[in-house]
Amino acid sequence: QSALTQPASVSGSPGQSITISCTGTSSDIGGYNFVSWYQQHPGKAPKLMIYEVTNRPSGVPDRFSGSKSGNMASLTISGLQAEDEAVYFCSSFASSTTVVVFGGGTKVTVL
Amino acid sequence: QLQLQESGPGLVKPSETLSLTCTVSGGSISSSSHHWGWIRQPPGKGLEWLGSIYYSGSTYYNPSLKSRVTISVDTSKNQFSLRLSSVTAADTAVYYCARFRTGSTGDYWGQGTLVTVSS
Repeated sequence: QSALTQPASVSGSPGQSITISCTGTSSDIGGYNFVSWYQQHPGKAPKLMIYEVTNRPSGVPDRFSGSKSGNMASLTISGLQAEDEAVYFCSSFASSTTVVVFGGGTKVTVL
Repeated sequence: QLQLQESGPGLVKPSETLSLTCTVSGGSISSSSHHWGWIRQPPGKGLEWLGSIYYSGSTYYNPSLKSRVTISVDTSKNQFSLRLSSVTAADTAVYYCARFRTGSTGDYWGQGTLVTVSS
């Protein structure tokens, strides 16, 4: 069982917007602004898409955005494209000892 | 461009110790701003952080695996290593090494290596 809770799957049509939720506790997501989101295509390593809740690394399209409210973080993909079909994982800093916790992953399907 | 590469046996027998090394190129492992971690992913499942190490040697482990995990660093070789003892089939997974910066953002990842536990 993962420390952070994500829906197993989310789907949308090309051009639509989808949002993936990531629920934690006050000890992780709610306690720090250190939420990251990763995209993973089959057979590939995770790729950082969002860091520190809202920031995009260089090269990540601006249709990917992140937010947080209380103990829940969200990743929104606007203008969904075929290449966005992948599994998305959230993660958070949790404490000075348990430094990284992950969500179970959400499979995004582009219809 | 920073690159990380995992290496080690792809097959380990039950009850033995899994050992992997991550070689960092294109940058130095001796950075106080980063920690270097191991993450695994069982087939078809999610990501699990195993532990991290700073170049100074300070380590942080997943509490659920702490008794079996040891991470070490060799700054002279720009490498860090994972040892997981008493493995079972449940330890079969793709093992990734990654660089984490402030707030545990994993900004660089290795390609991953599949380790199968089987007799």
